[in-house]
Amino acid sequence: AQSVSQHNHHVILSEAASLELGCNYSYGGTVNLFWYVQYPGQHLQLLLKYFSGDPLVKGIKGFEAEFIKSKFSFNLRKPSVQWSDTAEYFCAVNALSNTGKLIFGQGTTLQVKP
Amino acid sequence: DAEITQSPRHKITETGRQVTLACHQTWNHNNMFWYRQDLGHGLRLIHYSYGVQDTNKGEVSDGYSVSRSNTEDLPLTLESAASSQTSVYFCASSGGIQETQYFGPGTRLLVL
Repeated sequence: AQSVSQHNHHVILSEAASLELGCNYSYGGTVNLFWYVQYPGQHLQLLLKYFSGDPLVKGIKGFEAEFIKSKFSFNLRKPSVQWSDTAEYFCAVNALSNTGKLIFGQGTTLQVKP
Repeated sequence: DAEITQSPRHKITETGRQVTLACHQTWNHNNMFWYRQDLGHGLRLIHYSYGVQDTNKGEVSDGYSVSRSNTEDLPLTLESAASSQTSVYFCASSGGIQETQYFGPGTRLLVL
């Protein structure tokens, strides 16, 4: 079965620290990849997405992610986090043969200390 | 602006009762999805629809049903609510199978 794995369940950082959240998926075919963010008490918002082309994609609020096909990975990065980045982050995969269904990782809770 | 709304935002019900959660989108999207969010599980797909009169089961469909009578709405019904269905429910829509899904604000359901 297809699955998405986020390695870090809970990350605590100080402001200005660099962030990298891991995401791996298990599917050998063509995929679309997403990172969503959920701020406390709010709904999921799209941070960034990869469909094709440059494997390094840039999203909102200074986030970026790199698709490494050989590693089945789509890790999220930010050079310098802010307190306002405190949120839950979800990686999701749309396997194109899976007819539009998103498979989500378990989520990573990021806590940024001021 | 186009949006996706859910109602109610919070609901408390008793075991055995039928509950319906509403989802309404003004994107004119063909595809609509229902997920539940539980700690440690991320979001799991309950049901989805690719258009009017089309419905499909997702990963965790037992105890839930949906109907799609128009493009804008996909109500989710819990036939007989169980405590295991206490969760946060999110509705989403997309314009195409490969397109980005946009999420509603969620409904927090407590089954006592």
